[in-house]
Amino acid sequence: DAGVIQSPRHEVTEMGQEVTLRCKPISGHDYLFWYRQTMMRGLELLIYFNNNVPIDDSGMPEDRFSAKMPNASFSTLKIQPSEPRDSAVYFCASSQIRKILNTGELFFGEGSRLTVL
Amino acid sequence: AQKVTQAQTEISVVEKEDVTLDCVYETRDTTYYLFWYKQPPSGELVFLIRRNSFDEQNEISGRYSWNFQKSTSSFNFTITASQVVDSAVYFCALSVPGGAQKLVFGQGTRLTINP
Repeated sequence: DAGVIQSPRHEVTEMGQEVTLRCKPISGHDYLFWYRQTMMRGLELLIYFNNNVPIDDSGMPEDRFSAKMPNASFSTLKIQPSEPRDSAVYFCASSQIRKILNTGELFFGEGSRLTVL
Repeated sequence: AQKVTQAQTEISVVEKEDVTLDCVYETRDTTYYLFWYKQPPSGELVFLIRRNSFDEQNEISGRYSWNFQKSTSSFNFTITASQVVDSAVYFCALSVPGGAQKLVFGQGTRLTINP
């Protein structure tokens, strides 16, 4: 089975540009999470969805960040305009309710490394 | 608020040595879950284990074992007879019920196993 697929794996952009990160969760999973990993702050939850609906976006740093999940197989995280402090690795993770209740396991993608110059 | 502390930033040992990764947590909730995840060089985080706050039994899975002690708010992870493939960054994490798996991660411990 394919795992969580993220694209692009690496993105280098200039300050002020729009960045869109993409995620395809594992088929059948009804939860999707976006995490950010930086040296200073470690791994932080930005937002999560259940059945394509945003449930908690309290971790989204500011209005420049937005996330959507138009259907069960696709989600985007957009940063507009991007700033150097947004440089980080962004992870997408998915799971299903039965898995969460039984073991708590989340399935992570390999991440998108963003560098904003 | 929840907090997870992994005081060991980096550990380096020689293959076949035993190694213990420390994790200390803080929460005011009486019900909570503790996790360990492994992040190999490929980047994705891989789930290793979850324990709930009512189950203080130690867990053993092959060369891996976990020691949960509520009295010291610790959930330590031991690798016995370490192997080069165990080299990775290991994260301890905490979540509380009421919101899927909103994991609060520690800063991670980078473990290097030298041949």
